[in-house]
Amino acid sequence: DGGITQSPKYLFRKEGQNVTLSCEQNLNHDAMYWYRQDPGQGLRLIYYSQIVNDFQKGDIAEGYSVSREKKESFPLTVTSAQKNPTAFYLCASNPGQGMEKLFFGSGTQLSVL
Amino acid sequence: RKEVEQDPGPFNVPEGATVAFNCTYSNSASQSFFWYRQDCRKEPKLLMSVYSSGNEDGRFTAQLNRASQYISLLIRDSKLSDSATYLCVVNTPGGGATNKLIFGTGTLLAVQP
Repeated sequence: DGGITQSPKYLFRKEGQNVTLSCEQNLNHDAMYWYRQDPGQGLRLIYYSQIVNDFQKGDIAEGYSVSREKKESFPLTVTSAQKNPTAFYLCASNPGQGMEKLFFGSGTQLSVL
Repeated sequence: RKEVEQDPGPFNVPEGATVAFNCTYSNSASQSFFWYRQDCRKEPKLLMSVYSSGNEDGRFTAQLNRASQYISLLIRDSKLSDSATYLCVVNTPGGGATNKLIFGTGTLLAVQP
């Protein structure tokens, strides 16, 4: 089945540790996105990529890094510089070229130990 | 003023009731509008796009009022399975040639038996 796969579903981070969230899609979509969701808040854009080997900062990129070496994969690293990383992280994709419907992965809940 | 504002609820309604959600947006240049549904700790899923002329999909009706900059979602004959958070999403001109999707905080609906 085609879709977006995020892993792990739950992740725990120790103070000062970097952790990487995985996002893989087999929909042949050009554009991929990372959002963060906190209780009582809307989704906020962290990073997005419209094509392989290119990505742009979203509204809250500080403390995060990404790579887009393959079309299918867009991993997000939460670095130790992100002081409040506890949140629900959602990866999404769409075909790009102005296609606005987003296809979401099932999310990763990150918590700090 | 937030770019996209929604009443957070919760809206507690009995089965069979009609319920309406409103959403306002601040950027008059916004071009397209959507309602997404999100179940607890799950990914958002597109419920329906919102067209200028209004559109209906079964028990769901979406309306757009560009002059007043709000969109609405009406749910008729609500079912227990309609219980979820409903996210208002607005496609707004971003920097350069890109647009960006702005998510509202969501309105929580709880349908009671």
